Amino acid sequence: EMQLVESGGGLVQPGGSLRLSCAASGFSFSSYSMNWVRQAPGKGLEWVSHISNSGSIIYYVDSVKGRFTISRDNAKNSLYLQMNSLRAEDTAVYYCTRDATPFVWGQGTLVTVSS
Amino acid sequence: QSVLTQPPSASGTPGQRVTISCSGSSSNIGSNNVYWYHQFPGTAPKLLIYRNNQRPSGVPDRFSGSKSGTSASLAISGLRSEDEADYYCAAWDDRLSGPVFGGGTKLTVL
Repeated sequence: EMQLVESGGGLVQPGGSLRLSCAASGFSFSSYSMNWVRQAPGKGLEWVSHISNSGSIIYYVDSVKGRFTISRDNAKNSLYLQMNSLRAEDTAVYYCTRDATPFVWGQGTLVTVSS
Repeated sequence: QSVLTQPPSASGTPGQRVTISCSGSSSNIGSNNVYWYHQFPGTAPKLLIYRNNQRPSGVPDRFSGSKSGTSASLAISGLRSEDEADYYCAAWDDRLSGPVFGGGTKLTVL
């Protein structure tokens, strides 16, 4: 069974940092591009960042450029999102997803930015 | 403001057929495949339709998708109470170099 399991969310103060992780199983991780997608409380879905299967191609939504860094370790079947200079508007459930347009979703991890 | 445009709400009675529209542009729906998801409260979105009209295994054939030009639609026939959820469309956007989503449609089964 294809599975994505996120971890690393929590409560952080404005200006702080968090690192999200996503553990993949049930498919050949190194063959697929991955995305992080977020959903603010009561709001719709917003794409955050994309990484190609090799990690050589990376894209970000404008609002996180310069603050967030996506990476992957194909040997560990893992995807990461380093989030720095966090703002209140980054508060959301963050989903790890497989494929350029999401085919498989994780269960999500909640990030709350608040003082 | 979402890149893809969906109606905020839709409704129907059990057994009815309802459709949800999704409008985009040449850089997303016009040149890429459309995906549809449903999401129940407190849970992650789940894939309903991929590549415009394909159903993953386990999704009943009551759900169907179509695409024409820069618009797409999701049809649900034989509506059931358990279909009550939020529905989202998505497509890759060549200009933004990422997937874009509709704002979501809340489906109510009356």
